[in-house]
Amino acid sequence: NAGVMQNPRHLVRRRGQEARLRCSPMKGHSHVYWYRQLPEEGLKFMVYLQKENIIDESGMPKERFSAEFPKEGPSILRIQQVVRGDSAAYFCASWGSEGYTFGSGTRLTVV
Amino acid sequence: GDSVTQMEGPVTLSEEAFLTINCTYTATGYPSLFWYVQYPGEGLQLLLKATKADDKGSNKGFEATYRKETTSFHLEKGSVQVSDSAVYFCALRDSGAGSYQLTFGKGTKLSVIP
Repeated sequence: NAGVMQNPRHLVRRRGQEARLRCSPMKGHSHVYWYRQLPEEGLKFMVYLQKENIIDESGMPKERFSAEFPKEGPSILRIQQVVRGDSAAYFCASWGSEGYTFGSGTRLTVV
Repeated sequence: GDSVTQMEGPVTLSEEAFLTINCTYTATGYPSLFWYVQYPGEGLQLLLKATKADDKGSNKGFEATYRKETTSFHLEKGSVQVSDSAVYFCALRDSGAGSYQLTFGKGTKLSVIP
């Protein structure tokens, strides 16, 4: 959906590197959700953020993963020291009066 | 916790055939129910939704009725087209879950052949 912008669309990282995924929500939306889609699986909730606040990170792995949504700029999902099991599609959704709008996702491949 | 169970795929149908994809759910509160569609290499698009019992969501010839008594939200279409080939996800948003995240089923891949 053109309203929620995610970049990059595809990201390849070697094991041990860092991955940074960006999400710009729809104009006027201040609520951002990150989901992960493993191969042949549905989407799993990771984290819910509002501007400058993490509201719910109950779906985030305890280590290596972090997220932020600064006052200015996009939301960032950061994965440190990536492993092959992190290979997945990561989707961002923003929430507003229209409901949820999903971005096209970032497909992370760890080699 | 909340969960969504949908029929396993893949489902292969001939053009103009009738489609049903079953979806059942468990929720602690009073959920809203959704069907999303994902075309290859793309993100999720909302197909239809229902927010309370007996509501029927409809869009592009697809329909689903919120059945509280059977905790179901089955997706139907009377005559599928090749362009309907995609992965379909059933999802819920539970009013009892404070952060209002969506809980998804595993998805059902539909292939429609000419």
